[in-house]
This record gives sequence, C-alpha cells and structure tokens, in this order.
Amino acid sequence: QLQLQESGPGLVKPSETLSLTCTLSGGSISSGSDYWGWIRQPPGKGLEWVGFIYYSGNTYYNPSLKSRVTISVDTSKDQFSLKLRSVTAADTALYYCARHPIGLVKPAFDPWGQGTLVTVSS
Amino acid sequence: DIQMTQSPSSLSASVGDRVTITCRASQGIASYLNWYQQKPGKAPKLLIYAASTLQSGVPSRFSGSGSGTDFSLTISSLQPEDFATYYCQQSHSIPPEYTFGQGTKLEIK
Repeated sequence: QLQLQESGPGLVKPSETLSLTCTLSGGSISSGSDYWGWIRQPPGKGLEWVGFIYYSGNTYYNPSLKSRVTISVDTSKDQFSLKLRSVTAADTALYYCARHPIGLVKPAFDPWGQGTLVTVSS
Repeated sequence: DIQMTQSPSSLSASVGDRVTITCRASQGIASYLNWYQQKPGKAPKLLIYAASTLQSGVPSRFSGSGSGTDFSLTISSLQPEDFATYYCQQSHSIPPEYTFGQGTKLEIK
C-alpha cells in the first residue's frame, strides 16, 4: 500500500528558500502512470495545487507560483522535492504531497501525505 | 486556467438531513471532477472521482453527479462523522494545472 511522507524544516525566514521532500513507501515513483504533486493549504484556508512532476522530470507548475517553484525527482530514492524561493508570510501553509494518476484510471489525488506545516517568519 | 466555484461556502445541517453541495467549472471538464472530505488536522480524503465513482470504503450515503460544468455531491442522511469541509477538484486541464474549489464547510445545526 503506497504511503507518502513529507519532511523538511518547519520554519523558514522571509526571502529564503523553502525546501521539502516527499518520500514514497510501498510503491515506486517510476511507475510511469502517475504525476507526483504538491498541494498547500494556508492556515484556515482552502487547498492550492502547487505543481506536479513526472518520473522522467517533466514538471507542471501553478502559474501563480511558477516563477518561484522548482520540483525535482530522485528515482533512486523514490523521492520528489519542492523548492519555493523568496518566501513571504503568505507562503506559510500546510504542505501536502500526493499521487495523481494520469489518464482515465482514478485521476484524483490519492493517497496524500499527512502534511507538514511550514511557517515563514524571522 | 479553469476556475472551480463551490456553493454554498458553509452549510448548517442536522444528523439525518439530506444535503447537496454544488461545484461549477468555468469551462467544460467532462466528468473529470473529484470530491474530497477534510477533517480538522487531517489530510483531505478522496470520496468520489470521475464525478460519480465512489472511492473504495466510502459509505454509500455519499453520491456524486454531473458533467460538463455543473456537479454536485449529495449526502443522503448526514451522520455525525460527516461534519467536515468538502472540496471539489478538476483533473481535466491540459497541461495538468488542476484546481480546487474554495471548499464548503458543513457544520452541525
């Protein structure tokens, strides 16, 4: 059974870079049939899709974040990572990683990691 | 990009009530519409995918319908554990810039 787990610093200073990693267990990031995604949720607010990566390295980003986001993949470790540059308090959020199958077989986010809270503050 | 609009934003109901939440897409998305339930402090949980297919293990009191631009999630008889926030999400965009609705908070009356 596939599980995902986010990890990374819980506190980042303004103007610095937020870095998170999502590690898979019970499955392979190289399946070829999935996008691997990041979703965030500011405290008390709704869900915002951040971006996807495919195992080959193809990436897709939320246009509103595109200039500051990089998602990368390490297939040898079954991990993918998020970097968000020049953060401000508005980037404070719970960050989730999730799988999203491609195509017609259950094209939805499932499963999700438990989420990790990142606070931007000096 | 495709905008998703849910209504209502919040809803008060009683145990046993039948409730319906709607989601409208800014352009046609066929049946590429998913519903999630989120409880406080927890990750969202997939309830329904492809507009009307119930995720394994989800009670049959949940149902989804719609296609094109208008969709709905119905809970036929509210149970205490159903009080949560519900989100719709489209998975139609090419490139895959998948967007969520703003959420509907279902509260106990």
